[in-house]
Amino acid sequence: QVQLVESGGGLVQPGGSLRLSCAASGFTLSDYYMSWVRQAPGKGLEWVSHISSSGGTIYYADSVKGRFTISRDNAKNSLSLQMNSLRAVDTAVYYCARSYNPFDSWGQGTLVTVSS
Amino acid sequence: EIVMTQSPATLSVSPGERATLSCRASQSVSSNLAWYQHKPGQAPRLLIYGASTRATGIPARFSGSGSGTEFTLTISSLQSEDFAVYYCQQYNPWPPFTITFGQGTRLEIK
Repeated sequence: QVQLVESGGGLVQPGGSLRLSCAASGFTLSDYYMSWVRQAPGKGLEWVSHISSSGGTIYYADSVKGRFTISRDNAKNSLSLQMNSLRAVDTAVYYCARSYNPFDSWGQGTLVTVSS
Repeated sequence: EIVMTQSPATLSVSPGERATLSCRASQSVSSNLAWYQHKPGQAPRLLIYGASTRATGIPARFSGSGSGTEFTLTISSLQSEDFAVYYCQQYNPWPPFTITFGQGTRLEIK
């Protein structure tokens, strides 16, 4: 069955960097667009970034544009999110999601805490 | 940016009764509207896409309706496992690519 497993979350200081990974299994990653979505504590869901199946088309939410970089390695069945210049407002659980109709499968999420 | 507004923020309903959740878009999203169920500590679960199409494995008691700016999710007879937070989401698959979620409706046991 489809499985998405995020990793790489943790505690980081403001201004720091973190790289999240999402391991995909149970389907052919190269056939699907993928996205990252986050949920800040006590808040709703917020779409963060999207990448096409080949990686040639990428979109970001305005709140992370210029600081976050999405990428994928279809050969390794992996999706990544490089997060730089982190701010307290970036504190959230980050989910990777398969972008089909429109997000038909999600991981369990990884917690990122930005605090000094 | 398209703003999605859900109402009510919290809905208290007894098991076995019907629940009706609303979602309004600040401008037309056609039928590019999805609903998700989210329980604490779990992955969100896709319920409805295309405003009215149930996702794979979703029970028939969940139904979606609407188009343009007004949408509804109806749960016909609430089961204990249905108490959760529900989000609507608009998705524009063409440039400019936009995805926004509503703020959520918490469905609680009355």
